[in-house]
Amino acid sequence: KAGVTQTPRYLIKTRGQQVTLSCSPISGHRSVSWYQQTPGQGLQFLFEYFSETQRNKGNFPGRFSGRQFSNSRSEMNVSTLELGDSALYLCASSLGRGTSYEQYFGPGTRLTVT
Amino acid sequence: KQEVTQIPAALSVPEGENLVLNCSFTDSAIYNLQWFRQDPGKGLTSLLLIQSSQREQTSGRLNASLDKSSGRSTLYIAASQPGDSATYLCAVTGPGRRALTFGSGTRLQVQP
Repeated sequence: KAGVTQTPRYLIKTRGQQVTLSCSPISGHRSVSWYQQTPGQGLQFLFEYFSETQRNKGNFPGRFSGRQFSNSRSEMNVSTLELGDSALYLCASSLGRGTSYEQYFGPGTRLTVT
Repeated sequence: KQEVTQIPAALSVPEGENLVLNCSFTDSAIYNLQWFRQDPGKGLTSLLLIQSSQREQTSGRLNASLDKSSGRSTLYIAASQPGDSATYLCAVTGPGRRALTFGSGTRLQVQP
């Protein structure tokens, strides 16, 4: 079974631009979560989607948004990029939202903002 | 607010040694705890998931224990190998917060 895939793997953008990252969960998984990883802040939760609805949101500004499609694939968008948005963005999927479900992570998208 | 701490931040051991990584959390009301491994520049690989009602989980040379009342978990790695070199992260979920709250990780280096 294929794992979680994320595209693109690497991105370089300039300040003020916007970016869209994509995540395809493991087949059959319906929950998708996004995390930001930086050297200074570690891993921080962005948001979770289940059945095309945002279920949880972390403490990030409104420039960060996302959506989930009917096939469970998810995208996140960051508008008006800032230097501090440079990070590894990780997507995780799980079968459902129950506490017994393990989360599986993709390889991440490395975003560099110049 | 849940906080997760991992000690030590870095660890270097010779090959073959058994070792223990520590994880502590401030709020014992957790649903589960998950241990991950991260290789440099890569995503996270799930190692073990322990439900709040469980005391331990084992997978191969790995054994994770959970003491919810004291807010602690340990990851035991037996007979370490150079391929075990990576950063190990623990994360918890809990009431009102199904998202994972991560520790800052322990960077492990196993010397051949």
